[in-house]
Amino acid sequence: GNSVTQMEGPVTLSEEAFLTINCTYTATGYPSLFWYVQYPGEGLQLLLKATKADDKGSNKGFEATYRKETTSFHLEKGSVQVSDSAVYFCAYDRAYGGSQGNLIFGKGTKLSVKP
Amino acid sequence: EAGVVQSPRYKIIEKKQPVAFWCNPISGHNTLYWYLQNLGQGPELLIRYENEEAVDDSQLPKDRFSAERLKGVDSTLKIQPAELGDSAVYLCASSLRTENIQYFGAGTRLSVL
Repeated sequence: GNSVTQMEGPVTLSEEAFLTINCTYTATGYPSLFWYVQYPGEGLQLLLKATKADDKGSNKGFEATYRKETTSFHLEKGSVQVSDSAVYFCAYDRAYGGSQGNLIFGKGTKLSVKP
Repeated sequence: EAGVVQSPRYKIIEKKQPVAFWCNPISGHNTLYWYLQNLGQGPELLIRYENEEAVDDSQLPKDRFSAERLKGVDSTLKIQPAELGDSAVYLCASSLRTENIQYFGAGTRLSVL
């Protein structure tokens, strides 16, 4: 069935460390892929997205590349900050007939960055 | 511009009691979603509206859950009667039909005792 698998957390890093959060998906067709971030006490916010194979989404120093051949969308950042501490969700859009549809989310990965 | 507004932020009730959540989407957004987020899990869709029409309610437990979006703007989600297992965060999101980005509210955290 349709699903998103993320690496389990929590992930704890020191400030300025390199971050990778793995995400793979199972879906038919060519869904749009997303990373959402949830800061403590807040709602989910879109971090970045990619809509077709080999697209790279980027925002706030984070990047993810849509890899159709490996059905992956791994999130990376070269140097994390304490303010990046949050829960990160990978998701894809289960669109219907070309229109937007419902987001299928992974379980989330909690990131804690220590000074 | 105001984001998606949900109320209340927190609700504590006893089992078998009714409860209602309210959502005001971003102005002009014709698509509205209600999601359920259990602890340690990602959100799961309950219902999706296009204007006032529920176009996907396949995951909504209709024996106890109901939703409405009168006039195609704000929406309410109701549970009657609530069960212990309904304790979770209920998220509302909205989007433009022409843009596949969903904007989320802060959610309502429900505790059923």
